[in-house]
Amino acid sequence: KNEVEQSPQNLTAQEGEFITINCSYSVGISALHWLQQHPGGGIVSLFMLSSGKKKHGRLIATINIQEKHSSLHITASHPRDSAVYICAAGGMCFGNEKLTFGTGTRLTIIP
Amino acid sequence: DAGVTQSPTHLIKTRGQQVTLRCSPKSGHDTVSWYQQALGQGPQFIFQYYEEEERQRGNFPDRFSGHQFPNYSSELNVNALLLGDSALYLCASSSIGLAHTDTQYFGPGTRLTVL
Repeated sequence: KNEVEQSPQNLTAQEGEFITINCSYSVGISALHWLQQHPGGGIVSLFMLSSGKKKHGRLIATINIQEKHSSLHITASHPRDSAVYICAAGGMCFGNEKLTFGTGTRLTIIP
Repeated sequence: DAGVTQSPTHLIKTRGQQVTLRCSPKSGHDTVSWYQQALGQGPQFIFQYYEEEERQRGNFPDRFSGHQFPNYSSELNVNALLLGDSALYLCASSSIGLAHTDTQYFGPGTRLTVL
């Protein structure tokens, strides 16, 4: 069993739909990271959170430490949101410690 | 302000050869982490360098080694290449000592193909 699991693996939705990607982890962490990876490989850090909820534009990330679960939501989805979204668990002490990654969710938004 | 840079962008090697990949961290960062991402998989942690020493290491064989220079840049070396070493190698920078960051900033990656 992977230490970090994401669902779904693939998600296709129509433009404008509300998107939810889930992440469960079994390791102790100091922070949970959400990252976006576009074709070609570049990874962009979207959020780092250790409790509660963060919002940036149309993106919202939540975490429940007791349940070891995090969600990434995208409101009013757009084709440019199409990418692979990866959650990663940060180390026990600091978020800059080694990251343990999920396998990613491939999101495709159809115009 | 340049972000994390990696070189080369692409590399093709044959089995048994050795390869060196390079990473320059974001300005103000002192810590470099290396990850291997096989096709269709999430990245796997190789090791992390801070103060020119290996600080943490993932589950990779000794064929994978690294180095960090006084200017905080880093190299990843892989000896005796195997077909299974074909992957995207990602470098991420952060800061422990200079100005602590929890976020890691990723470079564009080096795509290694082993034939």
